Amino acid sequence: GAGVSQSPSNKVTEKGKDVELRCDPISGHTALYWYRQSLGQGLEFLIYFQGNSAPDKSGLPSDRFSAERTGGSVSTLTIQRTQQEDSAVYLCASSPRQGEAPLHFGNGTRLTVT
Amino acid sequence: AQSVTQLDSQVPVFEEAPVELRCNYSSSVSVYLFWYVQYPNQGLQLLLKYLSGSTLVKGINGFEAEFNKSQTSFHLRKPSVHISDTAEYFCAVSGHDDYKLSFGAGTTVTVRA
Repeated sequence: GAGVSQSPSNKVTEKGKDVELRCDPISGHTALYWYRQSLGQGLEFLIYFQGNSAPDKSGLPSDRFSAERTGGSVSTLTIQRTQQEDSAVYLCASSPRQGEAPLHFGNGTRLTVT
Repeated sequence: AQSVTQLDSQVPVFEEAPVELRCNYSSSVSVYLFWYVQYPNQGLQLLLKYLSGSTLVKGINGFEAEFNKSQTSFHLRKPSVHISDTAEYFCAVSGHDDYKLSFGAGTTVTVRA
């Protein structure tokens, strides 16, 4: 497809389990971002990828959160030992050039931790 | 660092009426400004952006916004709304050469017949 694709669209998990969220950016886009959208916190920046490297991980809320990107394309956001406060919509975005603000967002993964 | 204030959390409006969504920002550096729309259960879609040049920016779906540097505002307008414009609208700001967006809290627009 032409847009940013995220999977799964919905994920329900038990507290303490690990989850992996996937993002397929638009082909050829160098820059990739993860944001989190939750009630009361709004939209928060998590991490920025420039190619396969992540020069800015400053938004990751704890060491339970990690992300990687391979082949300058697909990215995976992993949350270990999930907590109820991790429940949110996780949005991925991409842009064609590095250092540019995100222009294209995916539909997000809605994570519910029970 | 930058911050954004969206002055209205909810805006009800009748179909074919005009709408204005207010956005003010603060920043110590020059900024780029954005408006995004989020339809229910979807991601964010870029409506328009101001990078430089003309302060009146036209976007998709008949929306436009005006950058006012002296008032540090970037208000979004549409002269005549449709039911399909019912959505949440986010104003965002970034510094030049800065990839991080700071988002406002969002404004929910509900269009009624």
